[in-house]
Amino acid sequence: DSGVTQTPKHLITATGQRVTLRCSPRSGDLSVYWYQQSLDQGLQFLIQYYNGEERAKGNILERFSAQQFPDLHSELNLSSLELGDSALYFCASSDRGSHTDTQYFGPGTRLTVL
Amino acid sequence: DAKTTQPPSMDCAEGRAANLPCNHSTISGNEYVYWYRQIHSQGPQYIIHGLKNNETNEMASLIITEDRKSSTLILPHATLRDTAVYYCIVRGSMDSSYKLIFGSGTRLLVRP
Repeated sequence: DSGVTQTPKHLITATGQRVTLRCSPRSGDLSVYWYQQSLDQGLQFLIQYYNGEERAKGNILERFSAQQFPDLHSELNLSSLELGDSALYFCASSDRGSHTDTQYFGPGTRLTVL
Repeated sequence: DAKTTQPPSMDCAEGRAANLPCNHSTISGNEYVYWYRQIHSQGPQYIIHGLKNNETNEMASLIITEDRKSSTLILPHATLRDTAVYYCIVRGSMDSSYKLIFGSGTRLLVRP
């Protein structure tokens, strides 16, 4: 158990819909990262937050957005969903968000778009 | 960040040591070598990391060559639960995100 929690575990929805994935980092960690794992793309970095502020963006679509709240939990919002958005979405956290930090991953949310 | 090369698959017998190699010939001086594994579709699990010295923890040992161009992850007594995809990641500070860049990894199968 990494100490990172994600909800829900599974999500099934239809094309065109909007969903919100939630992540609670390990106690004391200030930085949250979101990753997407699809069958054809492998694990891809989406976005990083540090203490409520966006720090970096990866290959995140404009239909996707995220935020980190004052209590440090984070939400990833996915809108106008397409079939290709079906994937595992992982959240990770680290204490300072630096390159020497170890990132600890949550169990993921499996999103299925029908 | 430097690229890594890993064999796509390996296997070993239960109870024996599993030695997983990784080439990172373009690694630079301030880049760390990290190892993660992913069991089935669970979240990636941190194993170990190092800069230039060999490292050991309760899960594994990491041996980094003197020129730092390659490393080996050693699971000393592999069990069936060690069957997973193992990712070797080189990570530095070239961009501000300090993201992890996952390649294809090595699929390790531990045989009974």
